[in-house]
Amino acid sequence: GDSVTQMEGPVTLSEEAFLTINCTYTATGYPSLFWYVQYPGEGLQLLLKATKADDKGSNKGFEATYRKETTSFHLEKGSVQVSDSAVYFCARNAGGTSYGKLTFGQGTILTVHP
Amino acid sequence: NAGVMQNPRHLVRRRGQEARLRCSPMKGHSHVYWYRQLPEEGLKFMVYLQKENIIDESGMPKERFSAEFPKEGPSILRIQQVVRGDSAAYFCASSPLETDTDTQYFGPGTRLTVL
Repeated sequence: GDSVTQMEGPVTLSEEAFLTINCTYTATGYPSLFWYVQYPGEGLQLLLKATKADDKGSNKGFEATYRKETTSFHLEKGSVQVSDSAVYFCARNAGGTSYGKLTFGQGTILTVHP
Repeated sequence: NAGVMQNPRHLVRRRGQEARLRCSPMKGHSHVYWYRQLPEEGLKFMVYLQKENIIDESGMPKERFSAEFPKEGPSILRIQQVVRGDSAAYFCASSPLETDTDTQYFGPGTRLTVL
């Protein structure tokens, strides 16, 4: 079945460091791929998405490229801020079907220190 | 345009009681999804509904759990005879009718604690 695997965390960085959070997905169907962010005590917010191979999603300095050949969708940011501290979830939808049931990775906790 | 609304935000129940969680989708959205987040875990799909129809309930436990999305009013996730293992955050998401089923917009969640 569909699955998403994220790098294990937690990840701790200093402010202005470079961030990479790895994400791979099972190559079934033609999924859209997503990164969601969850701040403490809140729901998930869509950070970025990509709907087909080689698409790059970007938002708030974060980027991720849909790599079909490696079935990956790694999240990157060139210079993190303390306010980026949150839990990040990679997700895919069913792809090629009529609805968008999402399958999530286990989440990666990011802590950024001043 | 108000976002997805869920209530209550926090719910405490004793074992054996019933829990009712409500979700009002964004205006114009007729697709509703429920997800459960257990402590220290990612979100797991439970059920997908459209107005008056359950489309996919493959993630829903077979017993004690039910969901509905009536023609009028919010979607309801109902858990009967709650047990401690039901303690979790329950998130609702919605997406628009026919225009873009890719992006789901999440509510703030209901955190259920079973004593």
